[in-house]
Amino acid sequence: GDSVTQMEGPVTLSEEAFLTINCTYTATGYPSLFWYVQYPGEGLQLLLKATKADDKGSNKGFEATYRKETTSFHLEKGSVQVSDSAVYFCALILNTNAGKSTFGDGTTLTVKP
Amino acid sequence: DTAVSQTPKYLVTQMGNDKSIKCEQNLGHDTMYWYKQDSKKFLKIMFSYNNKELIINETVPNRFSPKSPDKAHLNLHINSLELGDSAVYFCASSQDRGEREQFFGPGTRLTVL
Repeated sequence: GDSVTQMEGPVTLSEEAFLTINCTYTATGYPSLFWYVQYPGEGLQLLLKATKADDKGSNKGFEATYRKETTSFHLEKGSVQVSDSAVYFCALILNTNAGKSTFGDGTTLTVKP
Repeated sequence: DTAVSQTPKYLVTQMGNDKSIKCEQNLGHDTMYWYKQDSKKFLKIMFSYNNKELIINETVPNRFSPKSPDKAHLNLHINSLELGDSAVYFCASSQDRGEREQFFGPGTRLTVL
């Protein structure tokens, strides 16, 4: 079946450090890929997405590129802030699977001043 | 304006009780979902409805019964609550059952004593 594997957390960084959260996937087709962010006490919200190979999604300084050859969608940010502390989820959706999302296990990021 | 709303936000109850969680979306979306998030933040899809029709029904105890009176509402009823049902339950919606981003509600934290 479809699966998403995320870098295990927790991840702790100092403010202005570079962030990478790895995400790889297994799917029986060509899915759309998403990164969601969950701030403490809130629901998930979309951070960025990419719908086909080589697409780059970007938002709020975060970027991720859909790499079909390595089945990856790694999340990066050049300079993190304390306000980026949250749980990050990588997810895929396949049209052929009734729109069912498959989520990774989440990676908790803490940014210290 | 709240896009996806859930009530109640917190629910504390005794084992064996029956409880319901309500969800409403004002986005005009066709598809709605229920997710369970455990204490380790793992997110698992439970059900999905498209235009009031059940399209995803994961391996969930039949004590859990979703109901969609119209496409803007998706409720979750849980019978005979058990300790292991304690979790945060998220409702979400998407434009349709394709490869679309999902919009999440704020969650309902259920605690079974």
